[in-house]
Amino acid sequence: QKEVEQNSGPLSVPEGAIASLNCTYSDRGSQSFFWYRQYSGKSPELIMSIYSNGDKEDGRFTAQLNKASQYVSLLIRDSQPSDSATYLCAVPLSSASKIIFGSGTRLSIRP
Amino acid sequence: GAVVSQHPSRVICKSGTSVKIECRSLDFQATTMFWYRQFPKKSLMLMATSNEGSKATYEQGVEKDKFLINHASLTLSTLTVTSAHPEDSSFYICSARDSQSGTYEQYFGPGTRLTVT
Repeated sequence: QKEVEQNSGPLSVPEGAIASLNCTYSDRGSQSFFWYRQYSGKSPELIMSIYSNGDKEDGRFTAQLNKASQYVSLLIRDSQPSDSATYLCAVPLSSASKIIFGSGTRLSIRP
Repeated sequence: GAVVSQHPSRVICKSGTSVKIECRSLDFQATTMFWYRQFPKKSLMLMATSNEGSKATYEQGVEKDKFLINHASLTLSTLTVTSAHPEDSSFYICSARDSQSGTYEQYFGPGTRLTVT
């Protein structure tokens, strides 16, 4: 089992709709969870961090964490064409300083 | 805040030469920095963890004699690709963690695109 798993996509969502991105992780000791956005040809950009069970909202983005199910998700409301990118779920290992990245979900917002 | 720079952004070199890439945290101190490589349409691959004042920790399969890492200060880490070959052509990205934040958030530099001819 991979340490951090995401559907690779592509996920196609109409403009204005909600995009839902999912991630599961294997390390039960993990306490921090991150979502990065990566545009084609660019480096990743941190867009959300979540540490506690439940929802965390920031503008059009909502991160949801369920530690019991080892599941973290990212919702993007009112999707815009500029949201088209690859979204990376990232989870620090509880036993080391490094972060494990998922392979990313490619999101495409169609006008 | 949390800005990381990389230099150069793009480099073309001849096979057999060495290339140095710099990664700087501009507005925070970073005892730990990370070096990644990414091939087109592929996921990030962690190459090594760079620790200020000590040796880097390399991931399995990464040649430490080929990819030399130096982290001499709290704001600067360098990656030197020695005796570069065309298969080393890739997008190299560094990231840094704010030593004072107490969190594991990593901030990425803009990346360096290396082409070896």
